[in-house]
Amino acid sequence: DVKVTQSSRYLVKRTGEKVFLECVQDMDHENMFWYRQDPGLGLRLIYFSYDVKMKEKGDIPEGYSVSREKKERFSLILESASTNQTSMYLCASSPDTTNYGYTFGSGTRLTVV
Amino acid sequence: QKEVEQNSGPLSVPEGAIASLNCTYSDRVSQSFFWYRQYSGKSPELIMSIYSNGDKEDGRFTAQLNKASQYVSLLIRDSQPSDSATYLCAVDTGRRALTFGSGTRLQVQP
Repeated sequence: DVKVTQSSRYLVKRTGEKVFLECVQDMDHENMFWYRQDPGLGLRLIYFSYDVKMKEKGDIPEGYSVSREKKERFSLILESASTNQTSMYLCASSPDTTNYGYTFGSGTRLTVV
Repeated sequence: QKEVEQNSGPLSVPEGAIASLNCTYSDRVSQSFFWYRQYSGKSPELIMSIYSNGDKEDGRFTAQLNKASQYVSLLIRDSQPSDSATYLCAVDTGRRALTFGSGTRLQVQP
């Protein structure tokens, strides 16, 4: 089975801190994604990557950046955390977005205080 | 208009009944459609995918797609309390990433 691992289940950070969320997949997938999930808003796409060192903005990229230096690892960076970035962050990977759907990690619940 | 719309629910059905979950989408070029189940506090898991008009069955689950009317539905037969979860519809709108609806919460009453 594909395994997508997010490094932290729960995080509490202070406003203004730089925050790194890590995601690793073990099935050699080309595509990796970061979403955030908020009540009533569903999953919203932040960034995605379809190859090493490639990235594309999703629907809500403001305040975030990403890094993909190796195929298996996709990092989400909050440059200066703010309270409105308190959310559940979900990483996903896929060999092909049109035919296989995604496999999600277990999520990181981030609280910014 | 949202790209992918779902009724937020909750949809409440008695145990053993058929649960019908619906999703509409706005982009006519969409080709791939997925249903995910998400239990409270857990991440979404893929349960069905459908690409062609018509029905696709997998056990107690049937996905239905009508591209002309731009809707996709999920039927759950013989609903069980363990089916109680939020069901997310996801659509490939051609930008190499899925767009999700906000989900429908299903409650199966014992």
